[in-house]
Amino acid sequence: SQQGEEDPQALSIQEGENATMNCSYKTSINNLQWYRQNSGRGLVHLILIRSNEREKHSGRLRVTLDTSKKSSSLLITASRAADTASYFCATDPQTEANNLFFGTGTRLTVIP
Amino acid sequence: DGGITQSPKYLFRKEGQNVTLSCEQNLNHDAMYWYRQDPGQGLRLIYYSQIVNDFQKGDIAEGYSVSREKKESFPLTVTSAQKNPTAFYLCASSILGSRLNTGELFFGEGSRLTVL
Repeated sequence: SQQGEEDPQALSIQEGENATMNCSYKTSINNLQWYRQNSGRGLVHLILIRSNEREKHSGRLRVTLDTSKKSSSLLITASRAADTASYFCATDPQTEANNLFFGTGTRLTVIP
Repeated sequence: DGGITQSPKYLFRKEGQNVTLSCEQNLNHDAMYWYRQDPGQGLRLIYYSQIVNDFQKGDIAEGYSVSREKKESFPLTVTSAQKNPTAFYLCASSILGSRLNTGELFFGEGSRLTVL
């Protein structure tokens, strides 16, 4: 399977704390993307990091990519109750054009 | 506003019936996708299409069929051959990227199918 794997499967933190989620994958990639999904809704794109990039920021989000370890992390700083959602990484493998492979997700709960 | 519309949001089906899920986009995207989501298993690709009148099977195409007669529309039919069709179905679209990069996917709000 070319799916990524997120770690942890579930994470519960207090409002104001930082949340870190990790993604590991198996194949060489063109880019890696992170998505957010509120319960029962569609996915929303958060950030895309290309294989030649090591770090990217967007607001309170920070994404890192280590292609030598085939891993990525998503950091959400100063979390809010509204950040409660599932977060998925998706990889764009070099061997497959125009396809993304999604991991199983991390369920984040931010307690007010 | 531009976006992707899926319908119906909820659908109930008796065993042995075919059902068709609608997906329409007005983003002028060439590529469209259907994913299935089961609890704890993430998203799995059913079918995708990069151009009108052409589509390819994904990882779990058995028991499903699609058509792409118009750029804006990519309906999914869940046939009676699909053994376990109860799931959350997500449609997405994207700009057709080069071979070097698949871009951001835009998702609809999903259709939840329950087989009674």
